Amino acid sequence: GESVGLHLPTLSVQEGDNSIINCAYSNSASDYFIWYKQESGKGPQFIIDIRSNMDKRQGQRVTVLLNKTVKHLSLQIAATQPGDSAVYFCAEKAAGNKLTFGGGTRVLVKP
Amino acid sequence: KAGVTQTPRYLIKTRGQQVTLSCSPISGHRSVSWYQQTPGQGLQFLFEYFSETQRNKGNFPGRFSGRQFSNSRSEMNVSTLELGDSALYLCASSLTAGVWNTEAFFGQGTRLTVV
Repeated sequence: GESVGLHLPTLSVQEGDNSIINCAYSNSASDYFIWYKQESGKGPQFIIDIRSNMDKRQGQRVTVLLNKTVKHLSLQIAATQPGDSAVYFCAEKAAGNKLTFGGGTRVLVKP
Repeated sequence: KAGVTQTPRYLIKTRGQQVTLSCSPISGHRSVSWYQQTPGQGLQFLFEYFSETQRNKGNFPGRFSGRQFSNSRSEMNVSTLELGDSALYLCASSLTAGVWNTEAFFGQGTRLTVV
């Protein structure tokens, strides 16, 4: 598959355990924060978003937490499955549809 | 419904040449954005088009340009190719251009290799 990033931080997690992926952002004026998942050979896929006036949002097996005080965003994946193996990016959205992406974290799920 | 279609999937060009990449957004989507993805720089925003108008532009040299047609299809062009332009070019399709519209749908990308 195509290499997304040769030196990405990697999170190894046992199948069934919970995963926590962290992200620091820079723009206090961002209106939304979004998590994307990118599998090998594919484009990024939307997972979940959170508006800047919220601190927590839950989806199916995923929870996003936003801490504006320290400009920190996290994605929690419950009961991690082999299909969750991918690179995860956080992104900030301000004006229009411009997304500013973080560097990415590679998640490896061990059976 | 059909997803975002990018053509071609793979391309090899020589330094100094120019290249045109194509993106067909999801039917009904009017916003198309382009991103460059490299191992060293990650995902970087190139530009965004909505209703045939460029609304946002990233920090790339003028060799990178784009346009959008009345049917929302978009093309990006890179002239005078350099080795450093080798990358995966991704197109993202969105329904509207409002900031509340957070779900962008990405194509599989065009892998450009400059030799």
